[in-house]
Amino acid sequence: GENVGLHLPTLSVQEGDNSIINCAYSNSASDYFIWYKQESGKGPQFIIDIRSNMDKRQGQRVTVLLNKTVKHLSLQIAATQPGDSAVYFCAENPRWRDDKIIFGKGTRLHILP
Amino acid sequence: GAVVSQHPSRVICKSGTSVKIECRSLDFQATTMFWYRQFPKQSLMLMATSNEGSKATYEQGVEKDKFLINHASLTLSTLTVTSAHPEDSSFYICSAREGQGLGKLFFGSGTQLSVL
Repeated sequence: GENVGLHLPTLSVQEGDNSIINCAYSNSASDYFIWYKQESGKGPQFIIDIRSNMDKRQGQRVTVLLNKTVKHLSLQIAATQPGDSAVYFCAENPRWRDDKIIFGKGTRLHILP
Repeated sequence: GAVVSQHPSRVICKSGTSVKIECRSLDFQATTMFWYRQFPKQSLMLMATSNEGSKATYEQGVEKDKFLINHASLTLSTLTVTSAHPEDSSFYICSAREGQGLGKLFFGSGTQLSVL
């Protein structure tokens, strides 16, 4: 199916360092991408989004990069803090799915003290 | 940002009973709401799209008679898990978008369903 259920990979980062979380998407026709943060037992929280006509977008302490050539999306978090510990999901809107948002695999971000 | 409220946050029920989950957009109107399901350590899987005033559209493989969706108003959608069984135990999450077309999707806090 479109949603692949696999055990989550984990990224461990030292507090204060920058984190880079990567995501590969498969739908070349997707034109809208979003990063969500999910803490244990809670719903996803919007972090940042980007449309396919852009390569980069910056927010507060976060940057999303989109490489359409290789269908790759990344989330960069600057100066990682303990509160950044969570599971991060990339999501996309395939153009043929109207306004539905389809989630990709998640990555657990673990902050080392 | 917009707020989506989901209740209950946790429910434990006996096998064979039905459970209703409510999803409300508190400060905006949502013509469309989405229901997701999430198993432990896995991603969110889209179950269905809830359309105000019309029938929900279900994703492939999701039983519409099992997961009843009602979107009676622009601020409320409900998901009823009918005749729940242990395999229905999961984390159910609703979401809503403010306005039309693409844009930020706001999520409820989720409902952890445990069927004994």
